[in-house]
Amino acid sequence: GAVVSQHPSRVICKSGTSVKIECRSLDFQATTMFWYRQFPKQSLMLMATSNEGSKATYEQGVEKDKFLINHASLTLSTLTVTSAHPEDSSFYICSARDSGRGVGKQFFGPGTRLTVL
Amino acid sequence: AQKVTQAQTEISVVEKEDVTLDCVYETRDTTYYLFWYKQPPSGELVFLIRRNSFDEQNEISGRYSWNFQKSTSSFNFTITASQVVDSAVYFCALSEAPLRTGTASKLTFGTGTRLQVTL
Repeated sequence: GAVVSQHPSRVICKSGTSVKIECRSLDFQATTMFWYRQFPKQSLMLMATSNEGSKATYEQGVEKDKFLINHASLTLSTLTVTSAHPEDSSFYICSARDSGRGVGKQFFGPGTRLTVL
Repeated sequence: AQKVTQAQTEISVVEKEDVTLDCVYETRDTTYYLFWYKQPPSGELVFLIRRNSFDEQNEISGRYSWNFQKSTSSFNFTITASQVVDSAVYFCALSEAPLRTGTASKLTFGTGTRLQVTL
C-alpha cells in the first residue's frame, strides 16, 4: 500500500537553529501534501497545505516566514522551522494523497518529534 | 467553517467491555468525508475508516463498527469486546470533498478521545 515517510523521526536542537523535516510519498505522486502540528495530548492542527510547484497555503495564525515549506517534486515536501524556539517543540505530521487515484484516503507520515532546548 | 467535537476526552474500560466513542460534526458542505484514526503511543496515525456523506450505511469491520447518522451529524465508533491493544487516542476527522479528482482536502480533527483498556 501507499506509504508516507518522514525524516528525521526525532530531532533535538538548540534554540535559534533551523530544522528541516522531509515528507516523502514512497510509491505514489502527491500534488498536495499537508503539514500538521500536534502539541502533547492535543489534537492535530493543520499548519499549511503544500502544493507542488507553487507556494504553500498557510492556515491563519501560522507564520509563513517561520515555517518554510517547499514542495519541489511530486514525492517530496519539506518543512523548515527557522530560528526554532522551545515553544516550537511539537510533533509534526505530514500527510499526502495519491494524485493518480480518484477520491482516495490520505496517508499520514509517522511524524517528527521536535524538541527545542 | 468545519468543526468536529469529541466530547469524551478520556474513557477507561475493562477488557472485553464494549465502548462507543462519540463524534459530532458541523459543516455547511453537502458533500464531505468523515474519518476515524487511531493514534497509539508511537504517534503514527492509523487510518480506520472513511465515510462519504452520501453513504449512511453503517459499517462493521471485525470488532469495529461505525454508526453514521446524518440527521444528528454524528459518526460514532464502537469497539466490541475491547482489548488492551485498543488503548490509544482516537480521532474523528472531517474533510470537504476535493474540488476535482486527484486533489486532496485538508482534514479538520476533533480533539481526540483517549481510550484506556485495562485487564
